[in-house]
Amino acid sequence: GAVVSQHPSWVICKSGTSVKIECRSLDFQATTMFWYRQFPKQSLMLMATSNEGSKATYEQGVEKDKFLINHASLTLSTLTVTSAHPEDSSFYICSARDFVATGVSSDNSPLHFGNGTRLTVT
Amino acid sequence: QKEVEQNSGPLSVPEGAIASLNCTYSDRGSQSFFWYRQYSGKSPELIMFIYSNGDKEDGRFTAQLNKASQYVSLLIRDSQPSDSATYLCAVRTGGGNKLTFGTGTQLKVEL
Repeated sequence: GAVVSQHPSWVICKSGTSVKIECRSLDFQATTMFWYRQFPKQSLMLMATSNEGSKATYEQGVEKDKFLINHASLTLSTLTVTSAHPEDSSFYICSARDFVATGVSSDNSPLHFGNGTRLTVT
Repeated sequence: QKEVEQNSGPLSVPEGAIASLNCTYSDRGSQSFFWYRQYSGKSPELIMFIYSNGDKEDGRFTAQLNKASQYVSLLIRDSQPSDSATYLCAVRTGGGNKLTFGTGTQLKVEL
């Protein structure tokens, strides 16, 4: 099945520093990847849609200058949390679709998630 | 009204019983529906997806979709302690390609 790899799995950083999270599709190409954030006891909230070779699409209320997304290749998207603050501490998860493996060549195909990155800002 | 609603639980069932998890959604134009399982501290993993009205079975899992009632459910037969997790319902809403998740139902399978 489709494998999405995310790195690092956890990171602790000081307030004001920046943190980069990588998301890779290991056995398929992903023109679109999705970045979610999950606070404790809450559901996944979509932050942005990462598009290969073009600008990311951000959800309402998500600061694009704070959460920088780069999708430079068909298998790699990165999320950089700039000038992190304690309120940015959360579980960040990337996801992608593998149209070929699921046999559904449309946006109806399911998302496969990376293992997530737990960010703690002190 | 939330776009995707689930009872947060916890839902407790004895080992070997059938667990029934429910989800309602508000967008009548929704096309595709997904169930994910999430263990504490881990990312979600896909269990099933369903697009058409009716039932879809995969092993011990059955997804049921009723678009007229805007309702989708997940049945887990012969529940095992390892099934204890939070189950997330996700719906592709609107005309875009993003998924909207419910808050999840916590399932506890007791010995």
